[in-house]
This record gives sequence, structure tokens and C-alpha cells, in this order.
Amino acid sequence: AQSVTQPDIHITVSEGASLELRCNYSYGATPYLFWYVQSPGQGLQLLLKYFSGDTLVQGIKGFEAEFKRSQSSFNLRKPSVHWSDAAEYFCGLAGYSGAGSYQLTFGKGTKLSVIP
Amino acid sequence: DGGITQSPKYLFRKEGQNVTLSCEQNLNHDAMYWYRQDPGQGLRLIYYSQIVNDFQKGDIAEGYSVSREKKESFPLTVTSAQKNPTAFYLCASRGSYSGANVLTFGAGSRLTVL
Repeated sequence: AQSVTQPDIHITVSEGASLELRCNYSYGATPYLFWYVQSPGQGLQLLLKYFSGDTLVQGIKGFEAEFKRSQSSFNLRKPSVHWSDAAEYFCGLAGYSGAGSYQLTFGKGTKLSVIP
Repeated sequence: DGGITQSPKYLFRKEGQNVTLSCEQNLNHDAMYWYRQDPGQGLRLIYYSQIVNDFQKGDIAEGYSVSREKKESFPLTVTSAQKNPTAFYLCASRGSYSGANVLTFGAGSRLTVL
């Protein structure tokens, strides 16, 4: 079975500070990994994805994430947070079951608050 | 512009009533999904459909029903059997071309039971 854990439910940072949101996964092979962002009352927007290749992936809005197979992690980072980054962030993992069914699993989310 | 349209944005229901949430996509995606979101629970899969006229139960299908008569449409009915239907519902779709495997989400529908 595949699973995703986001250890931090809520993080508060000051505007201009750096940010790292943690994501750990469990999966038997190399997974597809994603980060999505959700503003209050809105749908989810894809920030970035990792399928293969370079383990450091760049996304929109200045975000990046690094895939570390040895640690089963895919942490999201941003060097300098803006007040508009306040939102909820979801890490996701996708893979194919033995029957060929595509399965996508999300973590429970990390809510980011930004102090002006 | 291509995307997913969910309607209505807000819906109020009396206990004992069935309601149907609409989801339409013009992305030519084969697969479509319905998720339920509650505070602190993340996204939980209700139903998904990989092709027209076929769908499978997700993790929390009890009290819900779906249909997939057209590629573009995947409506969700919340029945009176759903014990706690107040939630935010998200529809998503996924393309099957190489390099995709990402979900595109609609803006969501918030259902409140009075």
C-alpha cells in the first residue's frame, strides 16, 4: 500500500524567511510525486511534479522540491516567502497497482501562515 | 481555456434530500475523480472513472453515487444515506498522454446540510 505523511499540520513563518515543508512517502517502487497548493475555498493548483531524472525539481511561484530516495522524502522549499504564499499545501504520490490501476494518494496537508 | 467546471459553488440541503454536484471538463481527459475534503483530513477519494460507462469506488463511497455517460461529465449524487455530507467536494481529471499523470482540479463545491 502507498501512503504519504506530512508531519507538520501548521507552520508559521515571517515574510522573507525561508520555508521547508516536509513530505515522506511509502511506496514499493519509484513514485510519481507532486506538490499542490490550495487557497481557502478553492481547488488545488499543481506547484511541481517529479517523475524521473533530476532529483531537484523547479515549480511555479519560486518553489522547488528535492526527491531523496534514501529518505523517502520529497520536501518543498522556497528561499523567501511572500505573504501571498499563505495557503494549504498537499503532497501527493501516484503509482500503478499490480492490476494496472492508477492510484493517487495525498497527505493531510500543511497549512502555512505568513507573518508580515 | 480548458479546465474543469464544478457547479454549484455553494449548495444547501435539508436532511433526507439527495443532491447532485456537477463536474464538466473540456480537457479531453479520460479519467475523472471525486474527492471529499474535511478540515484536517486531507483529500479522500469517493469515486473515480477511467473511461466512459465505467467507474470504481474509492475509499469512502458509501452514501454516494456517480455516472459517466459522457467523457466530459462526471456528476456526483450525495444521497440521504450519507450520514455526514457537509463538506467541500473536489472534482479532478487526468490525461493519459505521456508525461501527464497529474490531476487537474476544479474549484470545488461546498455542500452544507441544514
